Amino acid sequence: DQQVKQNSPSLSVQEGRISILNCDYTNSMFDYFLWYKKYPAEGPTFLISISSIKDKNEDGRFTVFLNKSAKHLSLHIVPSQPGDSAVYFCAAREYTGTASKLTFGTGTRLQVTL
Amino acid sequence: NAGVMQNPRHLVRRRGQEARLRCSPMKGHSHVYWYRQLPEEGLKFMVYLQKENIIDESGMPKERFSAEFPKEGPSILRIQQVVRGDSAAYFCASSADIQTEAFFGQGTRLTVV
Repeated sequence: DQQVKQNSPSLSVQEGRISILNCDYTNSMFDYFLWYKKYPAEGPTFLISISSIKDKNEDGRFTVFLNKSAKHLSLHIVPSQPGDSAVYFCAAREYTGTASKLTFGTGTRLQVTL
Repeated sequence: NAGVMQNPRHLVRRRGQEARLRCSPMKGHSHVYWYRQLPEEGLKFMVYLQKENIIDESGMPKERFSAEFPKEGPSILRIQQVVRGDSAAYFCASSADIQTEAFFGQGTRLTVV
């Protein structure tokens, strides 16, 4: 039962172009969504987040879009840089008032080529 | 990210031994989460703890696995009688409160031989 899905296991983008990473979810109780970036042999690093009451959040080169009706979010990176090459995980939070936990997608490996 | 300390970074255990994984949260953080990443998979939630309390252990296997976060000292994830299927990367994360972003440690890579 995969509640958070990242259907593209890998993506290759040229330097300077836009990278678009997609994520779909099924649980309508998720109230907060996050993107993490992960390099090999390191822990995930928080990148950007969005509350379920918003449809867009921007931070420098990174923008996250949320379409609640479609249960879909995407991360846009523009312009893409070689240092952006990593695995990107989409995560969704379920907050019950006394507890919260993140449910992660399986990740998309982004390769930014010169 | 560097603020959450996990040790050891790599742990090798023979089948049947015990594995103890430690996590020191960031300063000021009292919420700790453990996640497991199997090869080629995403991170799976295991357990959420606050100081001295297990809040949500819905992702923990029913047997052999336990976690604690004592009043003093790091959080410990303990796996008894390890099997090959326990081989994975185990990540700890901490947050200041229940609604703020969690920061991850670098993980412990457990290999069961």
